[in-house]
Amino acid sequence: GIQVEQSPPDLILQEGANSTLRCNFSDSVNNLQWFHQNPWGQLINLFYIPSGTKQNGRLSATTVATERYSLLYISSSQTTDSGVYFCAVDYRGSTLGRLYFGRGTQLTVWP
Amino acid sequence: DAGVIQSPRHEVTEMGQEVTLRCKPISGHDYLFWYRQTMMRGLELLIYFNNNVPIDDSGMPEDRFSAKMPNASFSTLKIQPSEPRDSAVYFCASSPSESYEQYFGPGTRLTVT
Repeated sequence: GIQVEQSPPDLILQEGANSTLRCNFSDSVNNLQWFHQNPWGQLINLFYIPSGTKQNGRLSATTVATERYSLLYISSSQTTDSGVYFCAVDYRGSTLGRLYFGRGTQLTVWP
Repeated sequence: DAGVIQSPRHEVTEMGQEVTLRCKPISGHDYLFWYRQTMMRGLELLIYFNNNVPIDDSGMPEDRFSAKMPNASFSTLKIQPSEPRDSAVYFCASSPSESYEQYFGPGTRLTVT
């Protein structure tokens, strides 16, 4: 199956700092999603981004499918950004619709 | 839309009891997924359905686990008999075939004592 690797595994920031989270995948993908799991356990959709760049407020994401990676940028981080960020891919060697998840990046933002 | 709905949100049961988790997908979505999340194993796909038909159940841990989708708006995941190692958060997710973008429910936290 496909390997989905996220880095760094842990990240600690002061409020107001910027950060970049990375997701590498080992095979061609149809789709890629970024999720945020907040401290209450909810999994929230951030981006659906099989290729290109998207922005939503202080967050943006870029996927370079040909080079098999995606980046999630968080600017001016806030304490509410804390939680785990997951990358998940729907890869071409599998049945359509199934997502393969990375292990996540645990982000802690201190006031 | 109300999003994916799961019930109960929390379940505490004793070993050996039957547990039934419920899920209502987003209206119009034709894919439904059941996941389990633990600290040790992360997020695991248990089974998923397309148009109410199970497509891949290779993630179901053993025969104690079963899942059904009797219609497009309802699915159950049943554990019988439950064991302490089944303690986890169980998520249901759904997606439309137009995009395959998955949306997760709030999860059911299961504790088996």
